[in-house]
Amino acid sequence: QQQVKQSPQSLIVQKGGISIINCAYENTAFDYFPWYQQFPGKGPALLIAIRPDVSEKKEGRFTISFNKSAKQFSLHIMDSQPGDSATYFCAASSAGNTPLVFGKGTRLSVIA
Amino acid sequence: DGGITQSPKYLFRKEGQNVTLSCEQNLNHDAMYWYRQDPGQGLRLIYYSQIVNDFQKGDIAEGYSVSREKKESFPLTVTSAQKNPTAFYLCASSIDLYGAGGLFFGSGTQLSVL
Repeated sequence: QQQVKQSPQSLIVQKGGISIINCAYENTAFDYFPWYQQFPGKGPALLIAIRPDVSEKKEGRFTISFNKSAKQFSLHIMDSQPGDSATYFCAASSAGNTPLVFGKGTRLSVIA
Repeated sequence: DGGITQSPKYLFRKEGQNVTLSCEQNLNHDAMYWYRQDPGQGLRLIYYSQIVNDFQKGDIAEGYSVSREKKESFPLTVTSAQKNPTAFYLCASSIDLYGAGGLFFGSGTQLSVL
């Protein structure tokens, strides 16, 4: 059973454009939603995370939008750069109670 | 430098052979994890450990075994019972159980079957 559904599977964006990756979850007990960034041949690294007490969190060019009623959250990358080309994973958990469950990942390619 | 060291980077397994993947951390984290990554499948949890001499099965533990004799080390053995072992294996650690403060990953081991 896939508890976190991520889309799209791959994404191509022009340099300077906005990259949007979406995730949906089913378990209403989830209360922690991180995004991880992975470059080829490397392990993932925490990019940004949100808890459901806020609807949006911004860190530099990266923004998480959270819709509790729809059980959806998304990552927006503003002014996308070739260096942002990587695989992005969303995840969810009941913080402190269950392990993180990861989405299947989105391969982002930013082209000049 | 603080971090997680996985070795080897590449590993080949023959049929019927057990192989062990190494994971060492100097972050002084209590919790450690093993994930399996297959193309297009995301990261799936194999085993995790909160403290020394204690560990729990994740979603896909069959065919794998672990030990946690030291806080810094969490080796994973891929046994001959794992019929499809080819994958990228990632070790991670966190200061808190379940990683709500962030998971720190190693650079992975690519395991292939000869």
